Amino acid sequence: DTAVSQTPKYLVTQMGNDKSIKCEQNLGHDTMYWYKQDSKKFLKIMFSYNNKELIINETVPNRFSPKSPDKAHLNLHINSLELGDSAVYFCASSLTGGHDETQYFGPGTRLLVL
Amino acid sequence: GNSVTQMEGPVTLSEEAFLTINCTYTATGYPSLFWYVQYPGEGLQLLLKATKADDKGSNKGFEATYRKETTSFHLEKGSVQVSDSAVYFCALSDLSGGGADGLTFGKGTHLIIQP
Repeated sequence: DTAVSQTPKYLVTQMGNDKSIKCEQNLGHDTMYWYKQDSKKFLKIMFSYNNKELIINETVPNRFSPKSPDKAHLNLHINSLELGDSAVYFCASSLTGGHDETQYFGPGTRLLVL
Repeated sequence: GNSVTQMEGPVTLSEEAFLTINCTYTATGYPSLFWYVQYPGEGLQLLLKATKADDKGSNKGFEATYRKETTSFHLEKGSVQVSDSAVYFCALSDLSGGGADGLTFGKGTHLIIQP
């Protein structure tokens, strides 16, 4: 009964490859997010999707593209991976417009680019 | 823009010591405030939250009070345990823009509790 799940948990790949990370939530939330945590543990928002519309697109390279087939899923596609993309990527979800807009996080995907 | 400042640590304490982790914020609107905890090798877990001034969030012996006058949300615990060793993140959510928004995080405080 995991609330927010991500796959894979670990991802090791070569520079220049294209990879995807999947995220699913079963909380009935309408907004999903992707965050990047760097080697110093600093967390920064990358994207959020609300009802299939991109709400935030921070200054991330266009090699990163979020794709949301439905409200329960927000996948992250990364093209032409670079060494600097190595980080932990967290998916999160929330229910907007209500009393509680707390964001709930997935377990993270640890990406290592060689 | 919004920002969160917290002591970075590492903070090293002995078991049963009193804990304070300071957190201050700047925001354009009326943010909700959160503390998240990240245990080694794991994801982020919500520890506690407060949505308006003077609210006190509490969970697992941890407390934090939303102080609008000092723009602070300091985390406290009266007696820490070894199992509290983790990284603690202060964060805010500012919905003054009207739509869904990401959290603004502090840089995290690494807490080490020694037996």
